[in-house]
Amino acid sequence: GAVVSQHPSRVICKSGTSVKIECRSLDFQATTMFWYRQFPKQSLMLMATSNEGSKATYEQGVEKDKFLINHASLTLSTLTVTSAHPEDSSFYICSASGGSGGYEQYFGPGTRLTVT
Amino acid sequence: QQQVKQSPQSLIVQKGGISIINCAYENTAFDYFPWYQQFPGKGPALLIAIRPDVSEKKEGRFTISFNKSAKQFSLHIMDSQPGDSATYFCAASAGAQKLVFGQGTRLTINP
Repeated sequence: GAVVSQHPSRVICKSGTSVKIECRSLDFQATTMFWYRQFPKQSLMLMATSNEGSKATYEQGVEKDKFLINHASLTLSTLTVTSAHPEDSSFYICSASGGSGGYEQYFGPGTRLTVT
Repeated sequence: QQQVKQSPQSLIVQKGGISIINCAYENTAFDYFPWYQQFPGKGPALLIAIRPDVSEKKEGRFTISFNKSAKQFSLHIMDSQPGDSATYFCAASAGAQKLVFGQGTRLTINP
């Protein structure tokens, strides 16, 4: 149990375009979803926390107008990178919690974004 | 105070040996301490977690030791195998709040 999927697994886009990444909890209802960014050989950096039906809470320094997060249902959250630039190239990972009321966060497989 | 400090940054262990990774925290509100295993190009996978009401938790070859007074916790991997070669992250949270991650340890198990 506790499976989280992400789509797409990798995406290449041109500078100035927008990219949407989906995160789904497949076998539990995720009351909270988190979006992280990870640079090579570094730790995970939390970007934002989203609760179903509420506006996302962004970490300091994360541009909310650039990284749009929607958590419309208990099984789906989306991250849209708007007007992407090469410096947005990174590994984006979502996680979900809420299954059986525990504290556990289960991570998706990640999405590799490359902006050319 | 929100930091979790992890050491060592990298670790090489012979097959069959014990791998030990340490973490320290400052925030006494933290009450959930998970360890994650991450392979290259993959998302982190929850390995084992502990709450502060116990000093040790074991699952198979993986053991968490927790020292509340010292505000430290560690991961022990017994009989380390080449397949255990990965990056390991400790983390901490206060309840169901956001996780604070350590810097990661790149573990290599030599055959």
